[in-house]
Amino acid sequence: GENVEQHPSTLSVQEGDSAVIKCTYSDSASNYFPWYKQELGKRPQLIIDIRSNVGEKKDQRIAVTLNKTAKHFSLHITETQPEDSAVYFCAVNFGNEKLTFGTGTRLTIIP
Amino acid sequence: NAGVTQTPKFQVLKTGQSMTLQCAQDMNHEYMSWYRQDPGMGLRLIHYSVGAGITDQGEVPNGYNVSRSTTEDFPLRLLSAAPSQTSVYFCASSYSGRYQPQHFGDGTRLSIL
Repeated sequence: GENVEQHPSTLSVQEGDSAVIKCTYSDSASNYFPWYKQELGKRPQLIIDIRSNVGEKKDQRIAVTLNKTAKHFSLHITETQPEDSAVYFCAVNFGNEKLTFGTGTRLTIIP
Repeated sequence: NAGVTQTPKFQVLKTGQSMTLQCAQDMNHEYMSWYRQDPGMGLRLIHYSVGAGITDQGEVPNGYNVSRSTTEDFPLRLLSAAPSQTSVYFCASSYSGRYQPQHFGDGTRLSIL
C-alpha cells in the first residue's frame, strides 16, 4: 500500500537550535518528496521538495535529505526562529497522480 | 494572478443538506484536487482531475462528487451532508499530478450539524 509515517507528532526546540522531522514511506517506486508548512488557520505552503535522483537539497536554513534504500526522508531546520512555529507535513508521490501526506508535526520554537 | 480561489470560506449545514464547494484557478494548471483535513490525520485526497473532462477518486471519495467541465474550475459536491464530513476542505492545483508541488487555496471550513 501507499503509506507515509511522520515522526514526531510534536516537537519543541529552543530558539536557535535545530529541528529534524522524519518521514518513512512504503513503496520504493516513490520519486517525489515535498514538505509543506501550515501556519494556524492558513493554507499549506511548499517549503522545499526533492526528487529521487537527489540525496540532499538545501535552501537557506532548510534542508531535506533522502535515503531511498531505507525509504525515509527528513526535514532539517537550522537556527530556528519563532516564525518557524507551525505544522509541517511531508508528502510522497508514489509514481501516480496522487500525493499522500504524513499526519503532520507541530513544531514549537521556545524563545 | 489570484492563484487558487475557494468559496465559501465558512459554511454550516444541517444533516442531509447538499452544497457545492467552489474552486477556481487562474494558472492554467491541468491538475486539480480536493483534500480534507481533520485533526491528527493530515490531508487526505478526496478526488482529483488530470484535465477537463477527467476525474478520479482519491483516498476518501464516498459522499462527494466532482466534475471538471473547464480547466479553471473544479467544484466539490456534497450530496447529503453528514456530521462525519465536518472538516476543513482544501483545493489544490499544479501543472501535473506527478512530481509537481501543489498550490493550495485558503480552504473552506465546513460544519455539519
